[in-house]
Amino acid sequence: AQTVTQSQPEMSVQEAETVTLSCTYDTSENNYYLFWYKQPPSRQMILVIRQEAYKQQNATENRFSVNFQKAAKSFSLKISDSQLGDTAMYFCAFMKHHGGSQGNLIFGKGTKLSVKP
Amino acid sequence: DAGITQSPRHKVTETGTPVTLRCHQTENHRYMYWYRQDPGHGLRLIHYSYGVKDTDKGEVSDGYSVSRSKTEDFLLTLESATSSQTSVYFCAISESKNQPQHFGDGTRLSIL
Repeated sequence: AQTVTQSQPEMSVQEAETVTLSCTYDTSENNYYLFWYKQPPSRQMILVIRQEAYKQQNATENRFSVNFQKAAKSFSLKISDSQLGDTAMYFCAFMKHHGGSQGNLIFGKGTKLSVKP
Repeated sequence: DAGITQSPRHKVTETGTPVTLRCHQTENHRYMYWYRQDPGHGLRLIHYSYGVKDTDKGEVSDGYSVSRSKTEDFLLTLESATSSQTSVYFCAISESKNQPQHFGDGTRLSIL
């Protein structure tokens, strides 16, 4: 079974600085997808970034980028130029690349990020 | 934003009563999912659907049933609610099993 571990329950960062959130996972699969979701206090679950395991290039979305280390099974999220609106819970998630019918996400327990002015 | 509506947004009910949560989508996506979110657990999959009348169990399916009679609607039913089912419930949709999932705004369910 796949597991996702986020070892930092809470983090804080000063506005405009850079912060990195850690995520490790365990799987015997070779093809899979990794995601970071953001959940602000409004409770919405918002997709931040997606990485396909067969792509070596790290995904980037504006101020958000990942460091994907397949051999180490590590998938960290870097937020540059942190903004107050980045304050949220961040969830790392894993999904197998299936030939069958299932496509569910396996989530970590989350990291609560606070951006301080 | 993906067109996903969950109803109700909040519900308080008593132990032993039946409860149905509805997820409605306007994206015509094939895949729909129900998750629950509890402190210390992240989100866990309850049931999912890969087409009309095609559903399957997830990690925490005990005490829940689902139905999908139309592409746009996915219902989650608690036949006899228990206090352990107090949670926030999220519906998600995806175009295919390898595409990202997009989430509704959640339903906060309290069972007293």
